[in-house]
Amino acid sequence: AQKITQTQPGMFVQEKEAVTLDCTYDTSDQSYGLFWYKQPSSGEMIFLIYQGSYDEQNATEGRYSLNFQKARKSANLVISASQLGDSAMYFCAMRGSNFGNEKLTFGTGTRLTIIP
Amino acid sequence: GAGVSQTPSNKVTEKGKYVELRCDPISGHTALYWYRQSLGQGPEFLIYFQGTGAADDSGLPNDRFFAVRPEGSVSTLKIQRTERGDSAVYLCASSLTGVPTEAFFGQGTRLTVV
Repeated sequence: AQKITQTQPGMFVQEKEAVTLDCTYDTSDQSYGLFWYKQPSSGEMIFLIYQGSYDEQNATEGRYSLNFQKARKSANLVISASQLGDSAMYFCAMRGSNFGNEKLTFGTGTRLTIIP
Repeated sequence: GAGVSQTPSNKVTEKGKYVELRCDPISGHTALYWYRQSLGQGPEFLIYFQGTGAADDSGLPNDRFFAVRPEGSVSTLKIQRTERGDSAVYLCASSLTGVPTEAFFGQGTRLTVV
């Protein structure tokens, strides 16, 4: 079984500062994928970044980077230079296989609020 | 359309009634997923289709829930004898097959059972 834990229910961050959203995971799979999604108040889940368990380098996508520490089973999302539009719910998720279409297991999310 | 489309966006129904929720995936995406998101929670997996067949329906909570995808594109989630506990946002996602990729989500259907 897979489990995602997000321990920060809410965070407040000053605009333009960097923010780290925590995510730890548990799985017995040797191969897996980790995802971060953003969910604004409109409700859709927006894909942000993906990290495969065998990827040696941390994933980056623009202002988003994933701090992947495999031994600690953590996959924290770092947002640099935060913007007001970053205010949303953020979900960490895991898939059981790097190259498949297995189901996603989500955490409970972190509500991020950017303060002007 | 370019994205995953879900209809209706909102549905209010009385306890005990039958409802159908529709998902129109991105063209060419063979994988389709249904998730349920209760208030304050992350999405929970319900069912996954690969083409026309349900490859994994382990998340369906009971036999009141059923989903079909008869032609491998549009999918319908069907809920019989609705209960107040079924109230949630039902999300649909689609993705390509066989590559490490993200799933693209629709905006969801908010179901309220009164």
